[in-house]
Amino acid sequence: GAVVSQHPSWVICKSGTSVKIECRSLDFQATTMFWYRQFPKQSLMLMATSNEGSKATYEQGVEKDKFLINHASLTLSTLTVTSAHPEDSSFYICSARGGGAGYNEQFFGPGTRLTVL
Amino acid sequence: GENVEQHPSTLSVQEGDSAVIKCTYSDSASNYFPWYKQELGKRPQLIIDIRSNVGEKKDQRIAVTLNKTAKHFSLHITETQPEDSAVYFCAAQLSWGQNFVFGPGTRLSVLP
Repeated sequence: GAVVSQHPSWVICKSGTSVKIECRSLDFQATTMFWYRQFPKQSLMLMATSNEGSKATYEQGVEKDKFLINHASLTLSTLTVTSAHPEDSSFYICSARGGGAGYNEQFFGPGTRLTVL
Repeated sequence: GENVEQHPSTLSVQEGDSAVIKCTYSDSASNYFPWYKQELGKRPQLIIDIRSNVGEKKDQRIAVTLNKTAKHFSLHITETQPEDSAVYFCAAQLSWGQNFVFGPGTRLSVLP
């Protein structure tokens, strides 16, 4: 199957700092990437959908100025958590979908565990 | 929007027994239903999926059934093994290429 990587795998930062998380599709071009947030023992909650070259579409309740998403190329999307606070601590996971009408499966990255002190 | 419910939240079975996880969805327009398995600390991985024009699909020890009228679908795992222990998520999709709406997950424990 297709491979999606995320970097970093974990990060610890101080309150008020910004953190950037990268999501890369390693062996396919991802026209669409999805960003999810997962709290311990809970489900995957969609934060936003990003299409290459256009602005991300955010789910209701997700602050777009706090969670900046950039999908500048067909293989890279980034999520920046700006002015992070302890309540932003969570597991952030991306998924990528290949382009074209024949592609529907989403391939998940390994996730990034963010801890804000 | 679409809402997906999943039951049970936890399930323990003896090795060799069968396990069944059930999901319901709210939007009758949803037409694609994947199942993902997430082992502890790892990424979710697709294990089986079903389209709305099919009532049942089987892949070795796992099968999925879909009842469009009732808007529910189920995952069946037979002859369970310890390596089946994981969290299983069902999902529904409204149209091709769009995001998946995930259920809350079921933590399956297969006891040796």
